Amino acid sequence: KAGVTQTPRYLIKTRGQQVTLSCSPISGHRSVSWYQQTPGQGLQFLFEYFSETQRNKGNFPGRFSGRQFSNSRSEMNVSTLELGDSALYLCASSGGQLGEKLFFGSGTQLSVL
Amino acid sequence: TQLLEQSPQFLSIQEGENLTVYCNSSSVFSSLQWYRQEPGEGPVLLVTVVTGGEVKKLKRLTFQFGDARKDSSLHITAAQPGDTGLYLCAGAAGFQKLVFGTGTRLLVSP
Repeated sequence: KAGVTQTPRYLIKTRGQQVTLSCSPISGHRSVSWYQQTPGQGLQFLFEYFSETQRNKGNFPGRFSGRQFSNSRSEMNVSTLELGDSALYLCASSGGQLGEKLFFGSGTQLSVL
Repeated sequence: TQLLEQSPQFLSIQEGENLTVYCNSSSVFSSLQWYRQEPGEGPVLLVTVVTGGEVKKLKRLTFQFGDARKDSSLHITAAQPGDTGLYLCAGAAGFQKLVFGTGTRLLVSP
């Protein structure tokens, strides 16, 4: 069974640009959640989608948004990039039940110059 | 705001030594998970503890959940270089929402 796939692996953008990251969950998983990891703040929850609906949201500004498609693939978008958005963005998939194990992808390393 | 503090932040030891990592919070969590993350990879789940006072063993790793479900510890016996990595505790805070700890970076030298 293939794992969680995130693309691209690395991305370099400049301030003010926008970026879209993609996540393909494990086959059969209907939940995709996104996390931001930085050296200073650690791992922080962005949002979670289940069957194309956002079920849970973290404390990030509206510049961070996401969506999920009918095949459970998910994208997250960050608009008007700031230097502080430089981070490793991780997505995790699961079946979606409360307390279920999360399987993380290898992440997209975003650098904002 | 739910916070999870881990200690120590960094640990450098020799192969064969024992170590304990602590994860503390002022909040109660319904369950607590431990992950290990290696460079360039996402975190991988090691264990989930649910019941206060629960102890789980995974080979040389022993995990304990505090009686009040606010704290947890990870003990590694006879550490090996393969144990090197970032150890993260995480508390369940809703559907697929985890509150992660500050992390403990472990380096085990041969």
